[in-house]
This record gives sequence, C-alpha cells and structure tokens, in this order.
Amino acid sequence: QSVLTQPPSASGTPGQRVTISCSGSSSNIGNNYVYWYQQLPGTAPKLLIYRNNQRASGVPDRFSGSKSGTSASLAISGLRSEDEADYYCAAWDDSLSGSYVFGTGTKVTVL
Amino acid sequence: QVQLQESGPGLVKPSQTLSLTCTLSGGSISSGSYFWSWIRLPAGKGLEWIGRIYTTGSTNSNRSLKSRVTISLDTSKNQFSLKLTSVTAADTAVYYCARSEYTPSSGYHYGMDVWGQGTTVTVSS
Repeated sequence: QSVLTQPPSASGTPGQRVTISCSGSSSNIGNNYVYWYQQLPGTAPKLLIYRNNQRASGVPDRFSGSKSGTSASLAISGLRSEDEADYYCAAWDDSLSGSYVFGTGTKVTVL
Repeated sequence: QVQLQESGPGLVKPSQTLSLTCTLSGGSISSGSYFWSWIRLPAGKGLEWIGRIYTTGSTNSNRSLKSRVTISLDTSKNQFSLKLTSVTAADTAVYYCARSEYTPSSGYHYGMDVWGQGTTVTVSS
C-alpha cells in the first residue's frame, strides 16, 4: 500500500492543462525530492521530472513539476493525445530503514 | 546507447525462488556512481520499488519485502540480479530493472532514467 496518494484519474481535451497531485508526509515528500514517471500502455516507465522540478533529457517543457510542503504536482500543458498514460510520483521515504516509494498512479485520458 | 535487459524464468512455482538478471549494454556497470534498481508492476496495480544496489555493492530494499529480497552485482558479466524467495501469487508481475545516477559529493539523485523493457513473471503451480 503506497504512502503517496494520487487521484486515480484525470482528463482533458487537447490543448488543455491537466494537473496531477501527489500527497505524502514529512518522511517522504516533506523531506526529500520528488520524481515523476510516465508509463505509456505496454511500455516501461519513463522519467519525466527529477528533483521536484527538473525536466529529464528530451522531455518537452509542456511538463512541469512543483512541490510545496508534503505535496507535489505535475502539470501537463497543451495536452496532446500521446500524453494519455499512467503517471506516478515517487520519493525516498526516511521512515524505518528507508525505502523508495511510488504514488498510487494517475491515469490521464485525453478526451 | 545505454540499455538494460531483464532475463529469467517466466513461470515460478509457489514457495520457490524467483531469480532475474539485468544485463547492461553500452556501458560498464562498475563505472560511475549509479544505483541499479528492481521495480515491479502487478497487473491492475501500481509500480512497486523492490530494492537497489549501489556501485559499491551496498543495498537497500523495500521494507515490506526485505526479508525475501537479495540484490547482487556481477561486474565481470556487467549484470545485477534479483532473488525473491518464498514467492506467492502476489509476486506475479512485470519486473523491471532501472538505473539512476547519484552524485556522492552533493547527494543528488537524478531519478531512474534508463529502464529495461520488463519481463513478466507468473507464480503458479
């Protein structure tokens, strides 16, 4: 059971802006960097954002990340059909002996 | 171009040990400062981090799996491996290996930027 909570789904029409939230606690998001991954159907996850708001190599600037306190967000502006995928936030969790944790995942649908 | 490729049995019997290998091509697994991780995706569920091994050989693993997980590095074969003991149907998943860069001097982690294509493992008798 993940300690990072995301909405199960989000949607928008082409060109719109979609925001995905990721809620954690002081032991993970509150004290560590947040990462975002995109998983297209049937493919391996792809790194989108690292260290809260840095875009990975080759990722278009339509994708942006932010963090405030124990929550983080991924925004997709100018939504495109190829953005339809599952999105996961992730962070290190300091509790007990430490562990990397993924969020529950959000399915983005382009209407 | 750096690539990772998982390999191992696609079917494992309950109570047995799941063994997977991840082979790196286009680079050396012993050079640089990297974490080499295992992640899985059960059908209909979300990603779950299993554990990782650092270039030096030190390991971390998911506390919910810790007692069953062993991750090792074989630099001579440019590979790292996962062993998961006492498997049950709940361990059925697509298993991925991945690489993440780490800068010890700054403590910066750069995220898992290279992934294998994934391998499906089914636990069934």
